[in-house]
Amino acid sequence: AQKITQTQPGMFVQEKEAVTLDCTYDTSDQSYGLFWYKQPSSGEMIFLIYQGSYDEQNATEGRYSLNFQKARKSANLVISASQLGDSAMYFCAMREPYSGAGSYQLTFGKGTKLSVIP
Amino acid sequence: KAGVTQTPRYLIKTRGQQVTLSCSPISGHRSVSWYQQTPGQGLQFLFEYFSETQRNKGNFPGRFSGRQFSNSRSEMNVSTLELGDSALYLCASTSPTEKRDTQYFGPGTRLTVL
Repeated sequence: AQKITQTQPGMFVQEKEAVTLDCTYDTSDQSYGLFWYKQPSSGEMIFLIYQGSYDEQNATEGRYSLNFQKARKSANLVISASQLGDSAMYFCAMREPYSGAGSYQLTFGKGTKLSVIP
Repeated sequence: KAGVTQTPRYLIKTRGQQVTLSCSPISGHRSVSWYQQTPGQGLQFLFEYFSETQRNKGNFPGRFSGRQFSNSRSEMNVSTLELGDSALYLCASTSPTEKRDTQYFGPGTRLTVL
């Protein structure tokens, strides 16, 4: 069974500073995909960034980057230059096994609540 | 193009009733997945439909069911509601043509069971 662990229930960061949200995962498969989603208080899950298990480089999407350490089974999200609008819940999720023909089921961690302080 | 839409956004029901939630995926997406989100259990996978067929199912009782129509719109039904069914129900859609098969979520339906 796969498992996603987010050890930080809540985090505070000063506006314009960088913050790292931790995510570790457990899987016996070699092929998998890791996702990060943002959930504002409105409830909608917003896709942020993706990392494939075979990707050689860490993923980046604007102010979001992923610190992927495969051997340690960690996929930490780094948000640079935090903004007030970044205050939200952040979820790490895994799709396993990664296959275009298979199910798209995601397994989510418990999430981290990020609060950006002016 | 338009995102995933879910209706209704809010629902209040009483124990024992049944409820039907609707999800319209992004145009061209043939896969629709449903998730339940509660403070205690977090986000849990309910089921996934692809081209009108249930492809995968989570560990939920038979009171939870779903279907998908030929236009890819999906409905989920919960019969004999229990207090513990109070949750945010999210649906997500994707397509093999999406980059990395990314799932895109709707705004959710918040169900309250009294």
